[in-house]
Amino acid sequence: GQQLNQSPQSMFIQEGEDVSMNCTSSSIFNTWLWYKQDPGEGPVLLIALYKAGELTSNGRLTAQFGITRKDSFLNISASIPSDVGIYFCAGQLPSGGSNYKLTFGKGTLLTVNP
Amino acid sequence: NAGVTQTPKFQVLKTGQSMTLQCAQDMNHEYMSWYRQDPGMGLRLIHYSVGAGITDQGEVPNGYNVSRSTTEDFPLRLLSAAPSQTSVYFCASSLQGFFPDTQYFGPGTRLTVL
Repeated sequence: GQQLNQSPQSMFIQEGEDVSMNCTSSSIFNTWLWYKQDPGEGPVLLIALYKAGELTSNGRLTAQFGITRKDSFLNISASIPSDVGIYFCAGQLPSGGSNYKLTFGKGTLLTVNP
Repeated sequence: NAGVTQTPKFQVLKTGQSMTLQCAQDMNHEYMSWYRQDPGMGLRLIHYSVGAGITDQGEVPNGYNVSRSTTEDFPLRLLSAAPSQTSVYFCASSLQGFFPDTQYFGPGTRLTVL
């Protein structure tokens, strides 16, 4: 199946630092999503991107849909301890059928030291 | 409004046993889906449903059956459990399954097959 390459796999940062993670693919995607998963919980949608070049913010989070439609990044500014968790990117291929047949990256585990 | 609920939270099976993972939502969502999450992997789509009476296969459907007799419920059946099915299973739902609907995830069922 399609693969999304998400990096880095893990990050250890100090509270207050900025964080950046990204996803790349050899395929074009129509939609990019970024999720956060807390321990023992299901993923929660953070940001959805629908157009190439789109830059969207949600509080301290900013994400961009790459111009080539093959990549996306997520930035977290001024990290706080509750930012700890696993962050997933997900993309929707431009194929027929349900729009929610998503391809997920393997996740970035973020640890924030207070 | 409970959102998406899943039972049980934890389950241990022996190889060859069968069981049903329950998923229910009270948001009148048409679209429901099942994912599995393995260590170091993103979520992979098992089966999905766009409405009562309609189901289809996702990326990894082998060994699993689903049915959708009501809008609220979408059970996942393991016919003959295998160790390779040890995973965390997430159910998700969205209003119609098309963007910009948000997909809501349940808390997950952690399954171990011995």
